[in-house]
Amino acid sequence: DIQMTQSPSSLSASVGDRVTITCRASQSISSYLNWYQQKPGKAPKLLIYAASSLQSGVPSRFNGSGSGTVFTLTVSSLQGEDFATYYCQQSYTIPVTFGPGTKVEIK
Amino acid sequence: EVQLVESGGGLVQPGGSLRLSCAASGFTFSSYEMYWVRQAPGKGLEWISYISSTGSTMYYGDSVKGRFTISRDNAKNSLSLQMNSLRAEDTAVYYCARDEMTGWCRFDPWGQGTLVTVSS
Repeated sequence: DIQMTQSPSSLSASVGDRVTITCRASQSISSYLNWYQQKPGKAPKLLIYAASSLQSGVPSRFNGSGSGTVFTLTVSSLQGEDFATYYCQQSYTIPVTFGPGTKVEIK
Repeated sequence: EVQLVESGGGLVQPGGSLRLSCAASGFTFSSYEMYWVRQAPGKGLEWISYISSTGSTMYYGDSVKGRFTISRDNAKNSLSLQMNSLRAEDTAVYYCARDEMTGWCRFDPWGQGTLVTVSS
């Protein structure tokens, strides 16, 4: 199975900050990488697919990049509604696997 | 509106069985591959099962293989997960999710989730 790791596991940031989360795959997954946002008590929401494509309706302050084994999710200017947990997910092969998550908290 | 609504969760004893359902609306259900993903309390996301659009192909995660069965009824726009021989470690919120683009494992939307608690 492909193992996914994320760093950091949590971070504290202020509204307006630029935030970057890194996701690493245990083997090359080309661009088969998706990002999800999850708020407490809610289902995950797709933000970015195919490493860098913005899902319809998602604000442009979210940006994904990377290929192979290293990927990043960047929020250019953090807003109040962005405080949540973010998960990466490889879609290269089954079993689909998720990263352990990065919790973005208010500083 | 594209929507998935899970039901069937609850409290069950270890070794017991439970059947989850996922009702789909707002899209042509029979055209999409579907998944079940679970999340243990305070933990991350775990993929557990896949079914093709026709229902002819299914895959399972190692943690549930041989105990869970995924199925679908395209005439009723419904996805199911039959869970047998339940264990304490199966306690989780169970989500159904649509693969937005066939074969891409791109999950959108997700249902609201249904909580399964395995405890005596």
